[in-house]
Amino acid sequence: AQSVTQLGSHVSVSEGALVLLRCNYSSSVPPYLFWYVQYPNQGLQLLLKYTSAATLVKGINGFEAEFKKSETSFHLTKPSAHMSDAAEYFCAVSGGSNYKLTFGKGTLLTVNP
Amino acid sequence: NAGVTQTPKFQVLKTGQSMTLQCAQDMNHNSMYWYRQDPGMGLRLIYYSASEGTTDKGEVPNGYNVSRLNKREFSLRLESAAPSQTSVYFCASSEGHRTDTQYFGPGTRLTVL
Repeated sequence: AQSVTQLGSHVSVSEGALVLLRCNYSSSVPPYLFWYVQYPNQGLQLLLKYTSAATLVKGINGFEAEFKKSETSFHLTKPSAHMSDAAEYFCAVSGGSNYKLTFGKGTLLTVNP
Repeated sequence: NAGVTQTPKFQVLKTGQSMTLQCAQDMNHNSMYWYRQDPGMGLRLIYYSASEGTTDKGEVPNGYNVSRLNKREFSLRLESAAPSQTSVYFCASSEGHRTDTQYFGPGTRLTVL
């Protein structure tokens, strides 16, 4: 079984500030991990994913995430927030013998001018 | 390519009415999924189809049925709608492997009165 915990349902940053969205996972097998972004009134789209290659994963729009097995974490970061980054972000894990995703509850990112 | 399409975009039902949500993908994907999204709950898997001709229950299947009509289409049916089924419903598809990206449709916003 697998689960995902996203710390902080709402994160607010100033434009130009560091973005840090936290994700911790639990999995009984080596996990594959994903970050998805949802802009208002849209479906989800992939930001980046970890599939057991490099532990530091770079995604679209300047986001990156680091897989840390010892901390069971996969936090999402961006050095400098833009107004266009305002959205809801979901961490997800794929584990076990199937390909189903288990999603966290999401973190809403607000970017203030 | 249209990707994943869903119809309708919005629907209002009365308690006890039935309806079918339609989903189609043009990426020749093997696997398809239905999720519901509720505030503060993230996305929860209702049903999925690993391949044409197979369907399986997800986390919250009660009150729903599905049909994998062919490789392209995967429908979700509410036989007797209840207010607890008020939600935003997303269809997704993927190749069918653990490392695969899931591609999401734009969603159907359903209100049950």
